[in-house]
Amino acid sequence: GQNIDQPTEMTATEGAIVQINCTYQTSGFNGLFWYQQHAGEAPTFLSYNVLDGLEEKGRFSSFLSRSKGYSYLLLKELQMKDSASYLCAVVPYNQGGKLIFGQGTELSVKP
Amino acid sequence: DAGITQSPRHKVTETGTPVTLRCHQTENHRYMYWYRQDPGHGLRLIHYSYGVKDTDKGEVSDGYSVSRSKTEDFLLTLESATSSQTSVYFCAILGPTGELFFGEGSRLTVL
Repeated sequence: GQNIDQPTEMTATEGAIVQINCTYQTSGFNGLFWYQQHAGEAPTFLSYNVLDGLEEKGRFSSFLSRSKGYSYLLLKELQMKDSASYLCAVVPYNQGGKLIFGQGTELSVKP
Repeated sequence: DAGITQSPRHKVTETGTPVTLRCHQTENHRYMYWYRQDPGHGLRLIHYSYGVKDTDKGEVSDGYSVSRSKTEDFLLTLESATSSQTSVYFCAILGPTGELFFGEGSRLTVL
């Protein structure tokens, strides 16, 4: 089975850097996704890691270590609009689209 | 914009009544999904479809049925709604690199 853990809430300051961690226990998976979800809106795709290492995309970066069962999302130069929930999800082997989601991390960015 | 629309966006109903939520997509995607999102549980897969008239159960399928008579429409039906089915329901389609694109969500309240 799969079990995905994320911190429930985090607070950070505008302009700072924040790292949101995701740990998982799974028998095997194709890759790991990060989604952003603003209150009352749909989740939107941020990143997808298949291989170990860091994937950078503008102010957002995502890291995966399969051997450690660990991923993180790094947000740089935080802006107020980054206040949202960040969802970690894995897709099990041969189960494309059937994502298993963590509960999400609610990030609050303060001035 | 993945061309996904959900209807209705908001619905209040009474226990025991039937409810149907509709997901409509305009880009001929083969794979479609219904998720529900609840505090403390994150997003959980209800049912999915891998083609016209081809559907299968997800993690939390009890009390729900689906139908897909044409590519563009995926219907989720609650035959007899219960209060435990109060939730936000998201439809999603599978993108070209394995990511999910979500509709705007349908908020259902069962009194």
